[in-house]
Amino acid sequence: AQSVTQPDIHITVSEGASLELRCNYSYGATPYLFWYVQSPGQGLQLLLKYFSGDTLVQGIKGFEAEFKRSQSSFNLRKPSVHWSDAAEYFCAVPINDYKLSFGAGTTVTVRA
Amino acid sequence: SAVISQKPSRDICQRGTSLTIQCQVDSQVTMMFWYRQQPGQSLTLIATANQGSEATYESGFVIDKFPISRPNLTFSTLTVSNMSPEDSSIYLCSITKWGAGANVLTFGAGSRLTVL
Repeated sequence: AQSVTQPDIHITVSEGASLELRCNYSYGATPYLFWYVQSPGQGLQLLLKYFSGDTLVQGIKGFEAEFKRSQSSFNLRKPSVHWSDAAEYFCAVPINDYKLSFGAGTTVTVRA
Repeated sequence: SAVISQKPSRDICQRGTSLTIQCQVDSQVTMMFWYRQQPGQSLTLIATANQGSEATYESGFVIDKFPISRPNLTFSTLTVSNMSPEDSSIYLCSITKWGAGANVLTFGAGSRLTVL
């Protein structure tokens, strides 16, 4: 079954430093892939999505993600984090037309 | 994009009671979904709610515990019945919108329930 794995439970990064969150997928064909962010006390917001085409995807809030088929990865990156990026980040892959399988999430802490 | 409103945003409940969560969407949608996020966990789909038919529940979730209503194309409710501390979670309503070749899930802000 389609699934995603987020190897890092918690990452701490300094404000202004770069950030990379890992996501590995298990999928038979070319997957659709999503990154969502959940800020403290909030619901989930879609950061970006990959359906096909260009493997480097730009999202909101300055985030990007790169699809690498050879590594079965869809890592999320941001060149310079802001304190407001402290949140939990979820990678997800569709199981069917409407159901997503979410990774366990990575909590990002930003230190001043 | 669609706006999804949930209420209550949070509540503290007593063991054995039931609570109904409301989800209102600002546009008509065929399918609405209810997810649960237990503390420190990822999201799990509880059920799919279609207007005019019974909700479809995922493995591990039953109608007696999580009854769902879907009276029209913009509204749904999820009731958490006979609550226990293990039901303390964030419950999220979501919809899908077709865009750029696939369905994309959009979520409400969630309802954070604490059961004492």
